[in-house]
Amino acid sequence: KQEVTQIPAALSVPEGENLVLNCSFTDSAIYNLQWFRQDPGKGLTSLLLIQSSQREQTSGRLNASLDKSSGRSTLYIAASQPGDSATYLCAVDTGTASKLTFGTGTRLQVTL
Amino acid sequence: EAGVTQFPSHSVIEKGQTVTLRCDPISGHDNLYWYRRVMGKEIKFLLHFVKESKQDESGMPNNRFLAERTGGTYSTLKVQPAELEDSGVYFCASSQDGSGWETQYFGPGTRLLVL
Repeated sequence: KQEVTQIPAALSVPEGENLVLNCSFTDSAIYNLQWFRQDPGKGLTSLLLIQSSQREQTSGRLNASLDKSSGRSTLYIAASQPGDSATYLCAVDTGTASKLTFGTGTRLQVTL
Repeated sequence: EAGVTQFPSHSVIEKGQTVTLRCDPISGHDNLYWYRRVMGKEIKFLLHFVKESKQDESGMPNNRFLAERTGGTYSTLKVQPAELEDSGVYFCASSQDGSGWETQYFGPGTRLLVL
């Protein structure tokens, strides 16, 4: 059974800092790994999707890496801004009907 | 292009009552998913439709939950009778081909509180 863990559960950083969010999963047989962002009271917004054959994906100030063999992914956020404050969720697709298995998320606060 | 929409945004009901949640996927998306997050836990998969057919309903917690997608467009999730532990946020998501090569687009969720 796939389990996804995210560390830390919460993080507070001053504006401008670079930061790393961590995600680990127990079963390396995945199709892809996705990072989502959730704002309070809102739905999930997809940030980056990394296929199992890829090692990283980049979008603007975001960079996600994937090490499938060790069951780990990181989301790197460069030059953080207060608008980055949200909960970040990691989810893996094990390819069984494309259902996603989620971690519990990292709640990020970027302060002025 | 309109995103995934869900109705209602919030619902407060008493234990034993019935509630029906609705999801309208992005137009043209054959794949529709239901997930839920109960308090303090991670988001968990409930079921997956491909058009009007249930592809995988392994996450449905028990037979008090009934999902339908008549005509392969919108979907409903009925909880009857509702129990206290059903409280949480119910998310719907859709995707075009369900291959794992594309992301799932999520709706804003329905916040259900059972008293």
